[in-house]
Amino acid sequence: EPEVTQTPSHQVTQMGQEVILRCVPISNHLYFYWYRQILGQKVEFLVSFYNNEISEKSEIFDDQFSVERPDGSNFTLKIRSTKLEDSAMYFCASSERGSDSPLHFGNGTRLTVT
Amino acid sequence: RKEVEQDPGPFNVPEGATVAFNCTYSNSASQSFFWYRQDCRKEPKLLMSVYSSGNEDGRFTAQLNRASQYISLLIRDSKLSDSATYLCVVNKISGGGADGLTFGKGTHLIIQP
Repeated sequence: EPEVTQTPSHQVTQMGQEVILRCVPISNHLYFYWYRQILGQKVEFLVSFYNNEISEKSEIFDDQFSVERPDGSNFTLKIRSTKLEDSAMYFCASSERGSDSPLHFGNGTRLTVT
Repeated sequence: RKEVEQDPGPFNVPEGATVAFNCTYSNSASQSFFWYRQDCRKEPKLLMSVYSSGNEDGRFTAQLNRASQYISLLIRDSKLSDSATYLCVVNKISGGGADGLTFGKGTHLIIQP
């Protein structure tokens, strides 16, 4: 069964550094998403991406965050200057038809900001 | 009112028992509803979509009550492997599109041998 893959599985960085989290969505999916989950809290929506542009973003997704689809397969999340509170599990997801259809999640990148 | 509200539990249930979870949502325009399960420190995985007429998948039954903005999940003949956190998930607006899904905090289920 096709799956969403994310790298790295764990990233440790110092406060103020830039990080790039990478994702390869399922190949025939058109909608891509980033979510995050702080330890012990709920899964929170960050951003959705369709047709090579951001469709929607949450209040969490401020100017420090950006997304890109640099080629036909990768989908990246960049955090420009990490803060301690950015420490979380970041999940990439993709779907065929947007939010009417189920999301398929990658197994996540655990980001630790020290 | 929280967007998606669930009883966090934990629900401690003996193996073989039937257990039910409920969820309420605040956005009356929501049109898509799902139950996901999440194991500790893993990604959410789709358990089932929830349809207006109610639907069943093996031991799992989901119901939707639009008037009360209420979703339920019933698990029959529970197995040890059903131990997980069950997430109620709702989309924000109707008609698809790339709007994000809203997750509840989840209900933690522990099946005891």
